[in-house]
Amino acid sequence: QKEVEQDPGPLSVPEGAIVSLNCTYSNSAFQYFMWYRQYSRKGPELLMYTYSSGNKEDGRFTAQVDKSSKYISLFIRDSQPSDSATYLCAIPYSGGGADGLTFGKGTHLIIQP
Amino acid sequence: KAGVTQTPRYLIKTRGQQVTLSCSPISGHRSVSWYQQTPGQGLQFLFEYFSETQRNKGNFPGRFSGRQFSNSRSEMNVSTLELGDSALYLCASRGAGLANYGYTFGSGTRLTVV
Repeated sequence: QKEVEQDPGPLSVPEGAIVSLNCTYSNSAFQYFMWYRQYSRKGPELLMYTYSSGNKEDGRFTAQVDKSSKYISLFIRDSQPSDSATYLCAIPYSGGGADGLTFGKGTHLIIQP
Repeated sequence: KAGVTQTPRYLIKTRGQQVTLSCSPISGHRSVSWYQQTPGQGLQFLFEYFSETQRNKGNFPGRFSGRQFSNSRSEMNVSTLELGDSALYLCASRGAGLANYGYTFGSGTRLTVV
């Protein structure tokens, strides 16, 4: 079983819709959770990170962690065509230490104008 | 401030050759990690360096190696290239402290093995 599972999509929604992106993970020791966005031919860029359970909001983006079910989500409100990209969930190997990240495979999101 | 710089951007090599990729982290960042990205496997962790010491290594064969210099710049080397090594190789750097868990990625080196 992979440490982090993510539906690769593609996920296609109309402009203005609320988007829900999700990942599950296997190691209950994981504490930090990140979401990256990657545009074509670019490196991933950090969108948000959260610690432990709960919600974190930043503009149109909300990250949610449910440690009891080992489930992490990213919600995008009022989606825009510029949000079309691949979204990757990522978790540090050592619960936050400088030991690298394990990634989901990424969900390819398409926002239709 | 300047971001993470990877050179070269594109590379074409022949099976059996070796290749060295370079990464300059953000000024002041001492952690550098490397990843391989392919359509089939996604982003996979190769290794992480901190202050010239390898902290962690992913599940890749010994043909993949890396090092970090005293100025935090890092290189990764792949020997005896195989067709399956064709991928985007990404480098990321990270600052110290709890507020800096986000890694900043470079744009990658696209390696094609023919």
